[in-house]
Amino acid sequence: DSGVTQTPKHLITATGQRVTLRCSPRSGDLSVYWYQQSLDQGLQFLIQYYNGEERAKGNILERFSAQQFPDLHSELNLSSLELGDSALYFCASSVTDFSYNEQFFGPGTRLTVL
Amino acid sequence: AQSVTQPDIHITVSEGASLELRCNYSYGATPYLFWYVQSPGQGLQLLLKYFSGDTLVQGIKGFEAEFKRSQSSFNLRKPSVHWSDAAEYFCAVANNNDMRFGAGTRLTVKP
Repeated sequence: DSGVTQTPKHLITATGQRVTLRCSPRSGDLSVYWYQQSLDQGLQFLIQYYNGEERAKGNILERFSAQQFPDLHSELNLSSLELGDSALYFCASSVTDFSYNEQFFGPGTRLTVL
Repeated sequence: AQSVTQPDIHITVSEGASLELRCNYSYGATPYLFWYVQSPGQGLQLLLKYFSGDTLVQGIKGFEAEFKRSQSSFNLRKPSVHWSDAAEYFCAVANNNDMRFGAGTRLTVKP
């Protein structure tokens, strides 16, 4: 158990809908990262927050957005969902925003778009 | 742009045999290098990491990796594989908070 929690574990929805994925980092970790893992794209970095502020952006679509709240939990919002958004979404956390810090991964949220 | 290549999509080894998983990266300077393991249905777990110093890095679960600057490689090794090592292994490169993962190598362990 990494100490990172993600809810829900599974999510099934329809095209065009909007969903919110939630992540609680390990106690004491200030950085939260979001990743998307799919068969065709592999594991891709989406976005990073540090202590409530956006720190780095990867291959995140404009239809996707995220935020980190004062209690340090984070939410990833996916809107206008398409079939291709079906994937496993991971959240990870680390102590600071330093790239060399170990990232601790949550168990993931599996999103299925029908 | 930095990138990571794992040439082997799938490797099968016998239990007790040695293992080497290959990783090559492309980047102007030496980035931070990582190996993560993902067991079925689980998130990723860090095995080891490297930035500077001794080019042979020891990790958890008996794994080690060697950084070779001249070959832009960071290969993962284990002298004797256990059945519980069956998993997906990812090499990753990070710099300025931009983490890039390789496509992964799936390891199957034969009894």
